[in-house]
Amino acid sequence: SQKIEQNSEALNIQEGKTATLTCNYTNYSPAYLQWYRQDPGRGPVFLLLIRENEKEKRKERLKVTFDTTLKQSLFHITASQPADSATYLCALVGGSTLGRLYFGRGTQLTVWP
Amino acid sequence: NAGVTQTPKFRVLKTGQSMTLLCAQDMNHEYMYWYRQDPGMGLRLIHYSVGEGTTAKGEVPDGYNVSRLKKQNFLLGLESAAPSQTSVYFCASTMTGANYEQYFGPGTRLTVT
Repeated sequence: SQKIEQNSEALNIQEGKTATLTCNYTNYSPAYLQWYRQDPGRGPVFLLLIRENEKEKRKERLKVTFDTTLKQSLFHITASQPADSATYLCALVGGSTLGRLYFGRGTQLTVWP
Repeated sequence: NAGVTQTPKFRVLKTGQSMTLLCAQDMNHEYMYWYRQDPGMGLRLIHYSVGEGTTAKGEVPDGYNVSRLKKQNFLLGLESAAPSQTSVYFCASTMTGANYEQYFGPGTRLTVT
């Protein structure tokens, strides 16, 4: 069965630095990879999507890369701010069950002043 | 638009009791999903629906039933609650052909004693 791993449960960085979160997967060939943000007590919120034929996607201070050979996606937040503190989830989409997502366990990011 | 709403927000059940969680969306989405989120386990798919009148099992369907009688509503039922079903339940929806970006509700926190 497919397996999705996010590099660590928690990541602490200083304000202004770049946060880099990792999502690795096995036994799967996703058509898309998505990233979500989840704040405590709330549902996840979609941030970015990258397709299997795309190497990189940007949105404001966010950048996502997708390497289907390494089976890995990197999620970067540049010039991080305390307001970026949240849990970030990666999710795989595709295969024979389009519409169904497989989520990683998430990485809790804390940005301290 | 209210987006995705969930009822109730909190509930405490005794073992063996039954209850129904209601999810409603006003975005005319075809696909709807029920997840549970437990500490250290991430989001796990319970059941999902690709259209009115159709449902399918997800990763952890045992002990749950669902119904999608109307396009905008997706009900999750627990016939005989068990302590192992203590969790936070999230409903989500998405429309076809939209990269399957999922919109999540605010969650229902269920405790089974």
